[in-house]
Amino acid sequence: AQSVSQHNHHVILSEAASLELGCNYSYGGTVNLFWYVQYPGQHLQLLLKYFSGDPLVKGIKGFEAEFIKSKFSFNLRKPSVQWSDTAEYFCAVTPSGSARQLTFGSGTQLTVLP
Amino acid sequence: DGGITQSPKYLFRKEGQNVTLSCEQNLNHDAMYWYRQDPGQGLRLIYYSQIVNDFQKGDIAEGYSVSREKKESFPLTVTSAQKNPTAFYLCASRSEGTGELFFGEGSRLTVL
Repeated sequence: AQSVSQHNHHVILSEAASLELGCNYSYGGTVNLFWYVQYPGQHLQLLLKYFSGDPLVKGIKGFEAEFIKSKFSFNLRKPSVQWSDTAEYFCAVTPSGSARQLTFGSGTQLTVLP
Repeated sequence: DGGITQSPKYLFRKEGQNVTLSCEQNLNHDAMYWYRQDPGQGLRLIYYSQIVNDFQKGDIAEGYSVSREKKESFPLTVTSAQKNPTAFYLCASRSEGTGELFFGEGSRLTVL
């Protein structure tokens, strides 16, 4: 079975700082990778996803993530965060072609100070 | 608007009582899921259903039950056998084309 690790549980940044949230997964085969975000009081929504092709994927709100297969990583980045980016971020993985489930990481709470 | 509707948003129950959480979708998705979200533990899969009249246990199915009589509906019952039911419950459906999960706003259950 696959698993996902998010090593940063809580990250605090000032506005305009750069962001990188780590995500590592364990699975021997081909995977699809996702980042979801949960803003305070709102439902989970998709930030970006990787299925195949260019390992650098761009999502909404200026976020991007890079899939590094050799490191089993899919780190999320943003060059300059805003106060409105304060939210909980979840990395998720599923074997390619599987409809069973996404396996989620434990989440990273990002707090951006104005 | 298309989406996932969960109800109720907040629910309180006494120990020993069963409670059913509703999940309805109008996205025409075949696959639906129930997750439980606890602080610091991410989302854990309770049950999922890939098609009407079929469902499978997830990683933490003990103390829960589901049904899938209609494509649009996937209710979750939290039974009295669930030892630690106080949690935030999320329902989702999955797009076959993109693999993306679409989530409802969640139901927060508190056992008194």
